[in-house]
Amino acid sequence: NAGVTQTPKFRILKIGQSMTLQCTQDMNHNYMYWYRQDPGMGLKLIYYSVGAGITDKGEVPNGYNVSRSTTEDFPLRLELAAPSQTSVYFCASSYAGGHNEKLFFGSGTQLSVL
Amino acid sequence: GQQLNQSPQSMFIQEGEDVSMNCTSSSIFNTWLWYKQEPGEGPVLLIALYKAGELTSNGRLTAQFGITRKDSFLNISASIPSDVGIYFCAGPSGGATNKLIFGTGTLLAVQP
Repeated sequence: NAGVTQTPKFRILKIGQSMTLQCTQDMNHNYMYWYRQDPGMGLKLIYYSVGAGITDKGEVPNGYNVSRSTTEDFPLRLELAAPSQTSVYFCASSYAGGHNEKLFFGSGTQLSVL
Repeated sequence: GQQLNQSPQSMFIQEGEDVSMNCTSSSIFNTWLWYKQEPGEGPVLLIALYKAGELTSNGRLTAQFGITRKDSFLNISASIPSDVGIYFCAGPSGGATNKLIFGTGTLLAVQP
């Protein structure tokens, strides 16, 4: 069983380039999330979605965009990459309703912007 | 905004030792969570706590929800090499469990 799948695993971008980080889940979860993890800083919420067609900003949304056209997919878009966006990005999903705090994470995308 | 501070930042111990770590908040939480992240992977939920004073175990792991609701503790007994990883506490931002905030993490290294 796949769970949450993220692609690519690694990527190097030049300043100003754009890219989309892909995330898909096969657990029929309504809630999906994007976090970024910087060394020694824990995880910061970028965007989240409570269902198809609904997205909302998290703690650090600047420089990112998301869309949720299906229950399964929640891509994260970087339009003009900046060095400050060098980080490890994690997608996660959870059930709606009770105990939706149990997040299932993908294995991450390591992004370097040079 | 809400912040979760974890201590210690890192621990280097011998196999078989017991481990204690804690997490403190600047505000009250009604849910406390402990996640573990192994190298190259995303975090995995270990224990969830829902009531002040609650003590919950998961194998060799025991976590407690502090009675002030501003802190939580995680203990690992008789550590083994596969306990290596980063341990994060987490709680709902603004009370919304679909918006978790995470602590800064405690890195645990276990020497066989």
